Amino acid sequence: GAVVSQHPSWVICKSGTSVKIECRSLDFQATTMFWYRQFPKQSLMLMATSNEGSKATYEQGVEKDKFLINHASLTLSTLTVTSAHPEDSSFYICSTNRGPIYNEQFFGPGTRLTVL
Amino acid sequence: AQSVTQLDSHVSVSEGTPVLLRCNYSSSYSPSLFWYVQHPNKGLQLLLKYTSAATLVKGINGFEAEFKKSETSFHLTKPSAHMSDAAEYFCVVSVTGNQFYFGTGTSLTVIP
Repeated sequence: GAVVSQHPSWVICKSGTSVKIECRSLDFQATTMFWYRQFPKQSLMLMATSNEGSKATYEQGVEKDKFLINHASLTLSTLTVTSAHPEDSSFYICSTNRGPIYNEQFFGPGTRLTVL
Repeated sequence: AQSVTQLDSHVSVSEGTPVLLRCNYSSSYSPSLFWYVQHPNKGLQLLLKYTSAATLVKGINGFEAEFKKSETSFHLTKPSAHMSDAAEYFCVVSVTGNQFYFGTGTSLTVIP
């Protein structure tokens, strides 16, 4: 498998501030990373797909100016929640695959964001 | 198009009794199917996966699932529930590594 880490595991911030969440692929080079959002007691919702060196592809209904994704290297993708509000409080999970032919994703442990 | 339906949002079993979590899928192509478990405030852990090899798949912690193409099902079972099995379970269908479709999840409660 692949090992994916996220940092921080939990962040609490004030409304109006921006928060950056890091997703790292620790043991292989990930050209594609995925960002999911999970509300309490609900399933995962794909927010965007990021490809190293290019712009992320956002799912319908996800504000790209609100959720900035950067995938500048093969081992790191970041999600920045800009001007966070309480409704942005959620569990954010990243994942990666070894390429589309492998048909499997490896998930990070998630980041809990609480906006006061 | 691909989709997954988890037929039960909540399942309750007594400790030591069998577990059955139901999943039906829809896929235009030969799918890969996965079961993940998520404990409270934790990330996803892969229990098992089906990728067109044996239709009966054995996973971790005594779980197994059977791929039944004729029924488009991939139900998760365990002969004897343990307290530590209480968690949220997600069934996932995928055709490529870029497209993962999650079910809505089944919350498993184990009664002592």
